[in-house]
Amino acid sequence: GAGVSQTPSNKVTEKGKYVELRCDPISGHTALYWYRQSLGQGPEFLIYFQGTGAADDSGLPNDRFFAVRPEGSVSTLKIQRTERGDSAVYLCASRARVDTEAFFGQGTRLTVV
Amino acid sequence: AQKVTQAQTEISVVEKEDVTLDCVYETRDTTYYLFWYKQPPSGELVFLIRRNSFDEQNEISGRYSWNFQKSTSSFNFTITASQVVDSAVYFCALSEAGGGGSQGNLIFGKGTKLSVKP
Repeated sequence: GAGVSQTPSNKVTEKGKYVELRCDPISGHTALYWYRQSLGQGPEFLIYFQGTGAADDSGLPNDRFFAVRPEGSVSTLKIQRTERGDSAVYLCASRARVDTEAFFGQGTRLTVV
Repeated sequence: AQKVTQAQTEISVVEKEDVTLDCVYETRDTTYYLFWYKQPPSGELVFLIRRNSFDEQNEISGRYSWNFQKSTSSFNFTITASQVVDSAVYFCALSEAGGGGSQGNLIFGKGTKLSVKP
């Protein structure tokens, strides 16, 4: 597709469950970013991939959060033992180079009940 | 470390007023890029403008204009003759490119919510 695609668009899960959020970036974009956005807040950086490797994962809040990008394209954000505080919109973005703009997906709204 | 500050949390104006959204950034790199994004109520982040650290020329695009001043580390955004459709949250962002460890990262401010009333 032409844009960044995120699936699912909405996810409701029970506290303690495991979830996976998927991001399909724009073809050819080597940089991929995950952000978390809570209501009324700005995008909070989680992790940034350059190719297959995580160039910066300093934003991951704890070891329940993990992300992979095994082939340098699609990325999956994995959250173990979900907590109600994990409820937020998870945004994915990609860009071709550091000097270009990032394109965002529509986000996945995660609700932990 | 890189940081973006948008001190204005919310701004409310009446249609046709001019409004300026402030953005102050911090970086140790000499090469960096600044961005503005708009997030309308629909939620999708929409790119507005990119500026690199070597280009201090101000830019105008229709009713939008941007003022980049390295001396004050600011990259402010002005909407002239605001319209109701301008109502959104606006984010300023910074990306370093100088190889200082956070090269390539893209950090956002907390945003300014603009409400334009008819």
